[in-house]
Amino acid sequence: DSGVTQTPKHLITATGQRVTLRCSPRSGDLSVYWYQQSLDQGLQFLIQYYNGEERAKGNILERFSAQQFPDLHSELNLSSLELGDSALYFCASSTGISGDTEAFFGQGTRLTVV
Amino acid sequence: EDQVTQSPEALRLQEGESSSLNCSYTVSGLRGLFWYRQDPGKGPEFLFTLYSAGEEKEKERLKATLTKKESFLHITAPKPEDSATYLCAVRPNWNTGNQFYFGTGTSLTVIP
Repeated sequence: DSGVTQTPKHLITATGQRVTLRCSPRSGDLSVYWYQQSLDQGLQFLIQYYNGEERAKGNILERFSAQQFPDLHSELNLSSLELGDSALYFCASSTGISGDTEAFFGQGTRLTVV
Repeated sequence: EDQVTQSPEALRLQEGESSSLNCSYTVSGLRGLFWYRQDPGKGPEFLFTLYSAGEEKEKERLKATLTKKESFLHITAPKPEDSATYLCAVRPNWNTGNQFYFGTGTSLTVIP
């Protein structure tokens, strides 16, 4: 158990809908990262938050947004969903912002858009 | 452009047959190279961090090494439970955001 908790584990929704994925980082970790993993693309970095502030953006679509709350949990919001958004979404956390520490991943949310 | 390439894409080994997985990287300075193991439908599980050329880390049947351009994950006398996808990730030192860049992984199958 990595200590990173993601909910829900599975989500099935229709095209055009909006969903929210939730992540609770390991105790004491201030950085949260979101990744998307599709079958043909591997792990793609979406966005990072550190202590409530957006720190870095990757290939995140404008239809997607995220935030990190004062209790350090994070939410990834996906809107106007398309079939191609079906993927595994992972959250990871690490202790600091120095860049030297490893990140620990949650078990993921499997999103299926029908 | 920063890139991480893993080879082979897939590897089948007999139980006890040692081998190595490769991770080649081209980044503008390396702050760290990370190895993860991922089982189907699960999140990546952290294995090792390597920071500088010449560094080695070991854990059970796994040993990771690092040079200036690549890293190897050596698997000695593998068992079926070692079957998984092994992912390599790098953090470039220009990267103030500190995100990881992942390779697409090597899918390892160990046959009893």
